[in-house]
Amino acid sequence: QAVLTQPSSLSASPGASVRLTCTLRSDMKLTTYKIYWYQQRPGSPPRFLLKYKSDSDKGQGSGVPSRFAGSKDASANAGILLISGLQSEDEADYYCMIWHSSVSLFGAGTRLTVL
Amino acid sequence: EVQLVESGGGLVQPGGSLRLSCTASGFNYRDYGMNWVRQTPGKGLEWLAYLSTRSDNIYYADSVKGRFIISRDNTKNSLFLQMNSLRVDDTAVYYCARGDPDFWGQGTLVTVSP
Repeated sequence: QAVLTQPSSLSASPGASVRLTCTLRSDMKLTTYKIYWYQQRPGSPPRFLLKYKSDSDKGQGSGVPSRFAGSKDASANAGILLISGLQSEDEADYYCMIWHSSVSLFGAGTRLTVL
Repeated sequence: EVQLVESGGGLVQPGGSLRLSCTASGFNYRDYGMNWVRQTPGKGLEWLAYLSTRSDNIYYADSVKGRFIISRDNTKNSLFLQMNSLRVDDTAVYYCARGDPDFWGQGTLVTVSP
């Protein structure tokens, strides 16, 4: 079982809200981890969006609009990236990441298509 | 403006070596740990190595442990990755990335091919 599991693709309409999930392996305790989220558009390097551990321990990337928000779903053992007011420029690959025992681990990424 | 500029990529034969460099500007380089991350063409991200501000903490992914060496020169705002015993599956774009990471360079392409 992969450490971080992301859906391979999602699609949504402009103006809609979309919820990207990053599910931790079942033996890993969600509350322990800060989840990092990155956006990568074609031909560009990854861009740091935000990090989220709890409502009191989180951070937004420089210049990242507030319509990108992080949260957690304890019932699903998953980190969540919520994108509201979807725009065409949000079409990209989205990766989650954690630090685990001094090693950084990335999910395989979700390709978001804005229809 | 924060900038990270990688260099040193290119074509190398299997078993060969290559040294990547990353030059930082626009921030206090010596205050940040640094990483190398790679991305196979058309695929996902793989973290490779982390080096703390004073080089006293170093961590590697299992896939490169014993073959790659991360280092830095704080007097020259530079980060390095010495890659030895290269394999075809090391072909990727290599990024240097600051801190968490919270900022990435544009990357340099390494191709390992006979």
